[in-house]
Amino acid sequence: SAVISQKPSRDICQRGTSLTIQCQVDSQVTMMFWYRQQPGQSLTLIATANQGSEATYESGFVIDKFPISRPNLTFSTLTVSNMSPEDSSIYLCSVESGQRSYEQYFGPGTRLTVT
Amino acid sequence: GQNIDQPTEMTATEGAIVQINCTYQTSGFNGLFWYQQHAGEAPTFLSYNVLDGLEEKGRFSSFLSRSKGYSYLLLKELQMKDSASYLCAVPKDAGNNRKLIWGLGTSLAVNP
Repeated sequence: SAVISQKPSRDICQRGTSLTIQCQVDSQVTMMFWYRQQPGQSLTLIATANQGSEATYESGFVIDKFPISRPNLTFSTLTVSNMSPEDSSIYLCSVESGQRSYEQYFGPGTRLTVT
Repeated sequence: GQNIDQPTEMTATEGAIVQINCTYQTSGFNGLFWYQQHAGEAPTFLSYNVLDGLEEKGRFSSFLSRSKGYSYLLLKELQMKDSASYLCAVPKDAGNNRKLIWGLGTSLAVNP
């Protein structure tokens, strides 16, 4: 199984500012995924990040708002830009299992509150 | 369109059995996932069904009927630690298990 850490675990930010969330995996993985889990809402995929290429964003999410970096096979960052209270959410990264590719491992999440 | 429905909340007693249902609509089916998520923690994988029938894994079993667009998660010999949210998910695109559509989750409370 993969062990995933995220930083920060939580933050309170003012509207208009940006926050970069880090995701570190203890093994090399091809794909990393970024999700949002808003209060009372289902997990929603933001984008898929491959090393060496630009991230692929899902409908409703754009690179200007959620820029993603993937500098190597164990690390990725998601930036939430120009934040508004509607961005208050838990942000999670996940990776596929190396052995059973249909299983995903999730990081502990970053709880973001925008005031 | 794609849609997943599951009950919002359920309550059960320690030692009992509980069944959590999930109905789905997808354009192309490629399996159904169940994840467990304790409050404030990350979701963890429970099961993956791609064929009809029941798959048992210890105290947890998962059932799938593709013709009915229906699945359930069966939890036996409930323990207090089973209090969690149970998430049902299906792939967004047939043939691609990486992008999932998730249900809102069923919050299960196990009482002594």
